Amino acid sequence: AQKVTQAQTEISVVEKEDVTLDCVYETRDTTYYLFWYKQPPSGELVFLIRRNSFDEQNEISGRYSWNFQKSTSSFNFTITASQVVDSAVYFCALSEAGYGGSQGNLIFGKGTKLSVKP
Amino acid sequence: GAGVSQTPSNKVTEKGKYVELRCDPISGHTALYWYRQSLGQGPEFLIYFQGTGAADDSGLPNDRFFAVRPEGSVSTLKIQRTERGDSAVYLCASSFGTGGITEAFFGQGTRLTVV
Repeated sequence: AQKVTQAQTEISVVEKEDVTLDCVYETRDTTYYLFWYKQPPSGELVFLIRRNSFDEQNEISGRYSWNFQKSTSSFNFTITASQVVDSAVYFCALSEAGYGGSQGNLIFGKGTKLSVKP
Repeated sequence: GAGVSQTPSNKVTEKGKYVELRCDPISGHTALYWYRQSLGQGPEFLIYFQGTGAADDSGLPNDRFFAVRPEGSVSTLKIQRTERGDSAVYLCASSFGTGGITEAFFGQGTRLTVV
């Protein structure tokens, strides 16, 4: 069965600290996609990254970086030099491709609430 | 419009009533998704449209829930005989292209409260 686990419910850091949000997934498919979304207090989910199962290269975008490791079924997200504006709930999600009706729907974790204090 | 628009932003209804939630996707997006997010939880998939047809409705919890997209753009999520357990934020998203693997853009949601 497909599942996404975000074990950290809440994290609190002080501005400029680095923080890593963990994501562990389960799937039987060999082709799948992993996502990270940010949900600020306004409620709108903001897309951060999509990664397919065949691309294990780590990615960096500004202060954000992602570490994808198929061997441990993890797709962790690191924010470097955190800022107050990074405060939000962050969701990791999984999408399986080419599996009947489940193509295109996202399976979300429960989210990690990040609070960055000045 | 510039983004996915959902109306109303808030809806309070009495148990047993019928409600309709509307989603205006980004112009040109062929795929449209409905999710439901309960307090403290991640969004839960309900239904996915590719054009006018429901490509995957496996997430609809029961036959009280129904969604349509008659012209391939605006979608309406309909809930009959509402129950207190239906209270949640209902999120709509749209994406460009087939298969739904492309990036999905979400609206701000409709907060439904059943009293």
